[in-house]
Amino acid sequence: AQSVAQPEDQVNVAEGNPLTVKCTYSVSGNPYLFWYVQYPNRGLQFLLKYITGDNLVKGSYGFEAEFNKSQTSFHLKKPSALVSDSALYFCAVRDAAFNKFYFGSGTKLNVKP
Amino acid sequence: DGGITQSPKYLFRKEGQNVTLSCEQNLNHDAMYWYRQDPGQGLRLIYYSQIVNDFQKGDIAEGYSVSREKKESFPLTVTSAQKNPTAFYLCASSIRDLGNEKLFFGSGTQLSVL
Repeated sequence: AQSVAQPEDQVNVAEGNPLTVKCTYSVSGNPYLFWYVQYPNRGLQFLLKYITGDNLVKGSYGFEAEFNKSQTSFHLKKPSALVSDSALYFCAVRDAAFNKFYFGSGTKLNVKP
Repeated sequence: DGGITQSPKYLFRKEGQNVTLSCEQNLNHDAMYWYRQDPGQGLRLIYYSQIVNDFQKGDIAEGYSVSREKKESFPLTVTSAQKNPTAFYLCASSIRDLGNEKLFFGSGTQLSVL
């Protein structure tokens, strides 16, 4: 079965500092991993995905994610956080056999001025 | 303007009542999904459909029903059998081409019980 875990309910960071939002995964077969962001009372927006290739994936709004097969992790990163990055972030994995997507529990990112 | 439209934005259900949430997409996507979002629990899959006239149960299908009569539409009915329906409901769609797969989401419907 495919699953992802986000061990932190909340991450607090000061504006201008680097940020990391953690995600670990458990999959059978090749991992298809995604990050999404949700602003209050809105749907989710796609940030980036890992299918194959380079372990460092670049996405929207300056975000990037590092795929680590040995640690089964796919952490989201940004070199310099903005207050406007404050939102709820979800890691997800796609079950390719059934084209289903499973989501983590979400991590609330708070960026303070 | 392409995308996924969910309506209504807010919906209230009385005890014993069935309610239907609308989801329409003009992205020409084959696959559509319904997720339920509760605080602290992330998104849980209710139903999904890969093609017209076919759909499968997700992880929490009890108390819900769907139909997929048209490619563009995937309505979700919350039946009276769903005893705790208060949640934020999200509809999504995707294409299936390898390398292009990702979910596109609507803006959600907040369902509350009166």
